[in-house]
Amino acid sequence: DAGITQSPRHKVTETGTPVTLRCHQTENHRYMYWYRQDPGHGLRLIHYSYGVKDTDKGEVSDGYSVSRSKTEDFLLTLESATSSQTSVYFCAIAGGGNYGYTFGSGTRLTVV
Amino acid sequence: DQQVKQNSPSLSVQEGRISILNCDYTNSMFDYFLWYKKYPAEGPTFLISISSIKDKNEDGRFTVFLNKSAKHLSLHIVPSQPGDSAVYFCAARRGSGGGADGLTFGKGTHLIIQP
Repeated sequence: DAGITQSPRHKVTETGTPVTLRCHQTENHRYMYWYRQDPGHGLRLIHYSYGVKDTDKGEVSDGYSVSRSKTEDFLLTLESATSSQTSVYFCAIAGGGNYGYTFGSGTRLTVV
Repeated sequence: DQQVKQNSPSLSVQEGRISILNCDYTNSMFDYFLWYKKYPAEGPTFLISISSIKDKNEDGRFTVFLNKSAKHLSLHIVPSQPGDSAVYFCAARRGSGGGADGLTFGKGTHLIIQP
């Protein structure tokens, strides 16, 4: 019943290379989010989108960009990957109002 | 500065007893609070929430209490079961903008239920 899928699930990349992570939803939700989870930090917001082509920065946006050309897809790009961007990345969707966010299964990214 | 704090990185409770997970916040603009549960290699899943206009919300074995004056909330799990072993995240939403600008999470508490 996955209304939200992330791809790839795992990726290893080299320092300095660009990387794009994809989040795809089938719920037609307006809001989409990218978070990263690191030990000792919990979940931190990278970027979010409140509609097609409408995005804004979160708490830890440096080194990341996003794009949303369709309601169902939200892409996260690491412009030039660094070892500090080794993390687990979660996408989330929300329909607005007092509803909990639904999270994807995550992408484990390792930058070597 | 951390706006949502979970000061216990881990908590061990015997099966059948009550588990109490605590969360403190500093931003008085938060108007909605949520608890998420996370198993290894999975995304967080929504557990229970509470609006700032309430002081208690109950759903089966799970109850969340909110003390707005103390900026403190707690999650009670009664009775605790082995499947409750997971990391629990406290999260908060700002009221302005309809909460569109994301949730702020604590660092999480790893709950371990002992048989």
